[in-house]
Amino acid sequence: RKEVEQDPGPFNVPEGATVAFNCTYSNSASQSFFWYRQDCRKEPKLLMSVYSSGNEDGRFTAQLNRASQYISLLIRDSKLSDSATYLCVVPPSGGSYIPTFGRGTSLIVHP
Amino acid sequence: NAGVTQTPKFRILKIGQSMTLQCTQDMNHNYMYWYRQDPGMGLKLIYYSVGAGITDKGEVPNGYNVSRSTTEDFPLRLELAAPSQTSVYFCASSYPTASGNTIYFGEGSWLTVV
Repeated sequence: RKEVEQDPGPFNVPEGATVAFNCTYSNSASQSFFWYRQDCRKEPKLLMSVYSSGNEDGRFTAQLNRASQYISLLIRDSKLSDSATYLCVVPPSGGSYIPTFGRGTSLIVHP
Repeated sequence: NAGVTQTPKFRILKIGQSMTLQCTQDMNHNYMYWYRQDPGMGLKLIYYSVGAGITDKGEVPNGYNVSRSTTEDFPLRLELAAPSQTSVYFCASSYPTASGNTIYFGEGSWLTVV
């Protein structure tokens, strides 16, 4: 099993739709997780962090399921500007200094 | 409000030339990283550093070298550039806390080797 796995998509949704992405991770000792957003030809930027069961910020909700070792990102009322690649990130832990990045899930929101 | 600064933003190199990508951060972060990202692909770790004077190889170190003489600076050196090194390069930094490491990225350096 890869350390962090994401469905690459693309997810193609109309404006106003609700869309959810999952990310599975292999290290059961991981305590915190991040979702990053990467626009085309730009650097990744932090979108949300998940430390316990979940986190909500406006239209975005991140949830953590430790038993099944996955985190999810839910986007409600999608906007055209939400079109981007969403990266799942597991920070370093257990003596490692290297964060683990998923390959990203591509979202395209169309009119 | 600089964060992580990379220079140059764009560069074209000829095969066999050498160059250094500069990276500096003003957040006093211990951890710094260099990634490359090819079109449509994920981030690949080239080198990382956990503090001044300490560097280590990542997933794809061949053809690159780094140094970390200060906490702020983490330059990436390309020796004998090859077309396979055409990519976008991201420098990043982070600081460990009890709740995890938020990773901050520079804006990227686009390198083309012809």
